[in-house]
Amino acid sequence: GAVVSQHPSRVICKSGTSVKIECRSLDFQATTMFWYRQFPKQSLMLMATSNEGSKATYEQGVEKDKFLINHASLTLSTLTVTSAHPEDSSFYICSASRLAGGGFTGELFFGEGSRLTVL
Amino acid sequence: LAKTTQPISMDSYEGQEVNITCSHNNIATNDYITWYQQFPSQGPRFIIQGYKTKVTNEVASLFIPADRKSSTLSLPRVSLSDTAVYYCLVGDMDAGNMLTFGGGTRLMVKP
Repeated sequence: GAVVSQHPSRVICKSGTSVKIECRSLDFQATTMFWYRQFPKQSLMLMATSNEGSKATYEQGVEKDKFLINHASLTLSTLTVTSAHPEDSSFYICSASRLAGGGFTGELFFGEGSRLTVL
Repeated sequence: LAKTTQPISMDSYEGQEVNITCSHNNIATNDYITWYQQFPSQGPRFIIQGYKTKVTNEVASLFIPADRKSSTLSLPRVSLSDTAVYYCLVGDMDAGNMLTFGGGTRLMVKP
């Protein structure tokens, strides 16, 4: 199956600093990647859709200036949490879909997740 | 978007068959049904996908009645390692709307 890798898996930072999380598709090209956030005991919440070579599309209520997304290549998308605060502490997960034949396979491939703790 | 409803939690014992049902009353014609499994502190993992009737793979079966307003994920002979949260997603991937996770079902398998 397709592999999506995230880095770092865990990060602890001080309040006010910025943190960058990388998401890579290792064995396929992903024109579109998705970023999710998950709080403890809760479901995944879609934050934004990252499109290669264009601006990301953010879900309602997600601050685009707070969560900067860059998708500069077909295998890499980055999420930068700017001026992080304790309430930004969460589990951030990226995913990608893979094209096959005439369209999407319908399967999302998820990274391992990145746990951010803001002190 | 088709909204999904699942039981919040379920308990089972090792070796039993577990059936988790998902309701999706307003499923659209082009929508597929996909199930994911998530372990703590990991990203979700694809289990199975279907459109109608029955789909079976090496880990699970998916039963979808004719009206497609619900679906049932069947896990045969569960083990302790099947303890996880199971999510049902409904949507049209080509249209980019198979991205919304519902509440999921937390399955606890006991010895």
